[in-house]
Amino acid sequence: KAGVTQTPRYLIKTRGQQVTLSCSPISGHRSVSWYQQTPGQGLQFLFEYFSETQRNKGNFPGRFSGRQFSNSRSEMNVSTLELGDSALYLCASGGTRGDQAFFGQGTRLTVV
Amino acid sequence: ELKVEQNPLFLSMQEGKNYTIYCNYSTTSDRLYWYRQDPGKSLESLFVLLSNGAVKQEGRLMASLDTKARLSTLHITAAVHDLSATYFCAAGQIQGAQKLVFGQGTRLTINP
Repeated sequence: KAGVTQTPRYLIKTRGQQVTLSCSPISGHRSVSWYQQTPGQGLQFLFEYFSETQRNKGNFPGRFSGRQFSNSRSEMNVSTLELGDSALYLCASGGTRGDQAFFGQGTRLTVV
Repeated sequence: ELKVEQNPLFLSMQEGKNYTIYCNYSTTSDRLYWYRQDPGKSLESLFVLLSNGAVKQEGRLMASLDTKARLSTLHITAAVHDLSATYFCAAGQIQGAQKLVFGQGTRLTINP
């Protein structure tokens, strides 16, 4: 069974640019959630999508957005990048019962 | 607001010794996860605990949950160097949803 796939693995962007990250969940999983990991703030929840609808949202500015497609793949977009957005972005795939959370390899974003 | 605290944050121990990592959470949660993270890598799922008194074991690691005390423990038996990593606990904030609140992580170093 294939795991959670995130692309790209690494990104370098310039301040002010925007970026789109992709996450393909485990086959059959309909929930995709996104997390930001930084040395200073640790792991923080961004948002969760379930059946193409945003079900929960964390405390991040509106520059962070996402969506989910009918095949459960999800994308996360960050606009007007700031240096502080440099982080490891992780997505997690979950089943319908909400008791599973398997993480992808992450996308390491560096903003210069 | 759900908060999760781990202790200790840093742990250095000798091979062959036993130790316990503690995870306290502040409000009711319907599930508790433990993850392992190696440097530069993603989160590897270790255990998910769903009910009071739940105990799960895999190799030298054993996790337990006391929902009344809002406490989970990760016990390491006869530690070996390969268990060196950062260990995170996370609690589910909303029943059935994938919104997890993470602890700060415990950086475990096992010395030969």
